[in-house]
Amino acid sequence: EPEVTQTPSHQVTQMGQEVILRCVPISNHLYFYWYRQILGQKVEFLVSFYNNEISEKSEIFDDQFSVERPDGSNFTLKIRSTKLEDSAMYFCASSEVVSGEQFFGPGTRLTVL
Amino acid sequence: SQQGEEDPQALSIQEGENATMNCSYKTSINNLQWYRQNSGRGLVHLILIRSNEREKHSGRLRVTLDTSKKSSSLLITASRAADTASYFCATGNTGNQFYFGTGTSLTVIP
Repeated sequence: EPEVTQTPSHQVTQMGQEVILRCVPISNHLYFYWYRQILGQKVEFLVSFYNNEISEKSEIFDDQFSVERPDGSNFTLKIRSTKLEDSAMYFCASSEVVSGEQFFGPGTRLTVL
Repeated sequence: SQQGEEDPQALSIQEGENATMNCSYKTSINNLQWYRQNSGRGLVHLILIRSNEREKHSGRLRVTLDTSKKSSSLLITASRAADTASYFCATGNTGNQFYFGTGTSLTVIP
């Protein structure tokens, strides 16, 4: 069964560094998403992406964040100048249609020291 | 805020019993999805129910949606120890944002 994959599974970085989280969505899906879950808290929407551009973003998704689909398979989230409070689990998701079932990857645990 | 809120926050039942979890939300939605999350793991999609649907089934899962009350319920019948997880509802509008609730932590005791 097709699934969303994410790499790395765990990323440790120093405060102020830049990180890139990678995702490979399901191949026939057209809509891509990033979510964040701080430990013990709810899953929060960050951004949705369609047709090579951001379609929606939350208040969390400020200038520190950017997304890119550098090729036909990868979808990346870049976090610049990381802060301690960026430590969280980051989930990538994809869906075939807008407002359709979103399938999530296993997540990348980001730890900022 | 459109965010769904699950109730109860925690539920503990014996294997074989049914588990019912509820989700309430505040604004109009296009659809509502239920997800399961095992501790420290990713989210597994369970069911999507659209705003014009009232009930959906998938195996031992039954989801209802009452848009007049802005609520949904997830029923797991004949629960198993492997059903132990956190269950989340996520509400979607006409766009692509989904709002997750805080989840119900279900423990099924063998």
